[in-house]
Amino acid sequence: EVQLVESGGVLVQPGGSLRLSCAASGFSFDDYTMHWVRQPPGKGLEWVSLITWDGGSTYSADSVKGRFTISRDNSKNYLYLQMNSLRIEDTALYYCATERSKYFQHWGQGTLVTVSS
Amino acid sequence: EIVLTQSPATLSVSPGDRATLSCRASQSVSSNLAWYQHKPGQAPRLLIYGASARATGIPARFSGSGSGTEFTLTISSLQSEDFAVYYCQQYNDWPPGMYPFGQGTKLEIK
Repeated sequence: EVQLVESGGVLVQPGGSLRLSCAASGFSFDDYTMHWVRQPPGKGLEWVSLITWDGGSTYSADSVKGRFTISRDNSKNYLYLQMNSLRIEDTALYYCATERSKYFQHWGQGTLVTVSS
Repeated sequence: EIVLTQSPATLSVSPGDRATLSCRASQSVSSNLAWYQHKPGQAPRLLIYGASARATGIPARFSGSGSGTEFTLTISSLQSEDFAVYYCQQYNDWPPGMYPFGQGTKLEIK
């Protein structure tokens, strides 16, 4: 059974940093492109960032470019999101998801990041 | 950037009835469209990909149709567990922009 478990979400002040983790199990992690998707409170889904199976290519939404960095450790089956210079508008539930042919096949239950002073 | 518009924002339907949800793209996405179900506190769930192919384990009461700019998700006979928010997602643009998803349709019990 595919399992994605996010962790690392906390309350952080504006301008602060945070690293989210996503533990993957039940599938061949290093075969898949992985994504982070977020949902601000009361709003819809927003795509954040992706990383190819080998970490060779990464892409991010313009709103987080230069502040967030996606990475992965295929030896540990972990996906990460390093979040720097956090803003109030980054407050959201952050999901990791597997990609299959450019749609999102499996999702975790999310970890909540709150940016507030 | 392609914009997806879902309608209606909220749909009130009685259990056992049919629900029809719409997703319109600002330009053609061919059949590169997926549908997801999302319940509070749970992981989003892939329902449909390629506009009309059901994902593994999805009941036959869920069906998708359309191509180009107009798409429909139909739930033929609503069960209590189907009340949730539904999102469409286009993957014709890749890598995705910030908003590859529609804004969602909330399906509520009438």
